[in-house]
Amino acid sequence: EAGVAQSPRYKIIEKRQSVAFWCNPISGHATLYWYQQILGQGPKLLIQFQNNGVVDDSQLPKDRFSAERLKGVDSTLKIQPAKLEDSAVYLCASSLVGTAIEQYFGPGTRLTVT
Amino acid sequence: AQSVAQPEDQVNVAEGNPLTVKCTYSVSGNPYLFWYVQYPNRGLQFLLKYITGDNLVKGSYGFEAEFNKSQTSFHLKKPSALVSDSALYFCAVRDDSNYQLIWGAGTKLIIKP
Repeated sequence: EAGVAQSPRYKIIEKRQSVAFWCNPISGHATLYWYQQILGQGPKLLIQFQNNGVVDDSQLPKDRFSAERLKGVDSTLKIQPAKLEDSAVYLCASSLVGTAIEQYFGPGTRLTVT
Repeated sequence: AQSVAQPEDQVNVAEGNPLTVKCTYSVSGNPYLFWYVQYPNRGLQFLLKYITGDNLVKGSYGFEAEFNKSQTSFHLKKPSALVSDSALYFCAVRDDSNYQLIWGAGTKLIIKP
């Protein structure tokens, strides 16, 4: 079966610009996660969707970050405006249900903000 | 509070030798434990999990992990290391309050030829 797809793989932007990341989860996976992974650290959950509804966005910096999952499949994460500290790898993961039985990760998008 | 710790930032092992990457956890109920591996410029790949049953869990690429309830540990092991095992390894535990994963900081495993 196809894995979790993400694009772009790499993005370089200047601070105050905007950027969007796309994720297509494994077919049939109802739960979708966006994580931020700063170099040398473990992943930090930004937002969790169950189908097209938000389950948890408590760690999403809502003044600049937004995410949506229309139709309960693909998802987009946006940053506007970007800050230097947003430089990180953004990982998308999906799972069959939201009980954290193993999550499957995409390759990630490495964002560099200059 | 539920947490997971990986006490070693880096582990160095010679090829062919056994390897162990350590993980300890703290949870209020029964632990659901996971190991993931991350190769350079790649996403995280699921290696194995412990939910219940046999304390020795076998996973992908010849890895296994030993669950020890009394020591609250879930160490990752492999009998004979390969250079290709060099990567970043993450331990995670499920948070019972919201079913999300709590991640360790990661351990860099370096296998030298």
